[in-house]
Amino acid sequence: NAGVMQNPRHLVRRRGQEARLRCSPMKGHSHVYWYRQLPEEGLKFMVYLQKENIIDESGMPKERFSAEFPKEGPSILRIQQVVRGDSAAYFCASSPTRTGGTEAFFGQGTRLTVV
Amino acid sequence: AQKITQTQPGMFVQEKEAVTLDCTYDTSDPSYGLFWYKQPSSGEMIFLIYQGSYDQQNATEGRYSLNFQKARKSANLVISASQLGDSAMYFCAMREGHGGSNYKLTFGKGTLLTVNP
Repeated sequence: NAGVMQNPRHLVRRRGQEARLRCSPMKGHSHVYWYRQLPEEGLKFMVYLQKENIIDESGMPKERFSAEFPKEGPSILRIQQVVRGDSAAYFCASSPTRTGGTEAFFGQGTRLTVV
Repeated sequence: AQKITQTQPGMFVQEKEAVTLDCTYDTSDPSYGLFWYKQPSSGEMIFLIYQGSYDQQNATEGRYSLNFQKARKSANLVISASQLGDSAMYFCAMREGHGGSNYKLTFGKGTLLTVNP
């Protein structure tokens, strides 16, 4: 759904660099979810945030990965010291409520390639 | 155990014919929702259709319908009158309704559909 905006669409980083992925939720949505899609896999939940709060980060690797959703501005997924295994598509979804309702729209994703 | 199983890695269908993509799910939660997404080669995830566990009727959206068989825990996607533009990866997903993590979607591994002219 065009309402959830992710940028950049494609990101190339060398091993050891930092990657910052941005997600602007649909208007009026204060709940953001990040998912990762490894090659030839389905999406896997990483983290759920509300404005200024991390609600559930159970799917996020414990090291090098962090996420935030500040009061103003987009949600950021940050990967420090990237490695080849971080190469994946990262998707963001948003919702007006915790459960997301009967529809769940994703942004277009950011494809991270680590070289 | 896999929560969402898509047993068909790839499917072929002739243009204008109907095709069924299989999805079985595993949950003990009485309240859940089932979703289907299409992922074309451009990579975006396109929401297609939703079925709630308490919905009495099968969901339909244009050429997409969901064959929901609750007792068998299956939620197959039926695409009628296939078009070349339907060629894509299709993912089945589930959100369980109760408990602390009722916002998470769990995805299957997908089925690659190829529509032949």
